[in-house]
Amino acid sequence: ETGVTQSPTHLIKTRGQQVTLRCSSQSGHNTVSWYQQALGQGPQFIFQYYREEENGRGNFPPRFSGLQFPNYSSELNVNALELDDSALYLCASSGWGDNYEQYFGPGTRLTVT
Amino acid sequence: GIQVEQSPPDLILQEGANSTLRCNFSDSVNNLQWFHQNPWGQLINLFYIPSGTKQNGRLSATTVATERYSLLYISSSQTTDSGVYFCAVGRVGGSQGNLIFGKGTKLSVKP
Repeated sequence: ETGVTQSPTHLIKTRGQQVTLRCSSQSGHNTVSWYQQALGQGPQFIFQYYREEENGRGNFPPRFSGLQFPNYSSELNVNALELDDSALYLCASSGWGDNYEQYFGPGTRLTVT
Repeated sequence: GIQVEQSPPDLILQEGANSTLRCNFSDSVNNLQWFHQNPWGQLINLFYIPSGTKQNGRLSATTVATERYSLLYISSSQTTDSGVYFCAVGRVGGSQGNLIFGKGTKLSVKP
């Protein structure tokens, strides 16, 4: 069984640029969620994708957008990067139904300068 | 929205000691998970426990959903147990993937 994978591991961008982060869900999972974790804080929910559509969103502006592909992998896109976007970005996957358990990937650490 | 409070925020133990971490939440939940975050940021699943009691080796957890709290027990702690422990809940009626995290308990186990 393959776990959740994310790429890249680290990324450095300049304020105003755009970034794309990638996530492959655990085998057998069809739901992907993205989280942002600032230093010293707990992760915060950005949004969830199920059947290639956004299915729930946290308190993040529209410049945070995403995609889910037919193989259930996902992308997180952030436009017009700000210094406060520097964080660890975590992807989680789960099945759909009665078991809500989420499994997390290793994360992508984004630094905006 | 739902509030998740973890206590204590920091905990220092001598190797071999036992500890109890607490998570209080303010609304009905359909998901409660305990995670250990390692120094590289990976969230390791410890328990999926929206109700009841589970044990896995030196770790056990209990969730009393009617009283809105969960406890994580660590027995005979080891230095490798060091790190941040997070409780996260899913609100009834919320998105399935929307976990609300507490601020964590930072555990340091000294040799």
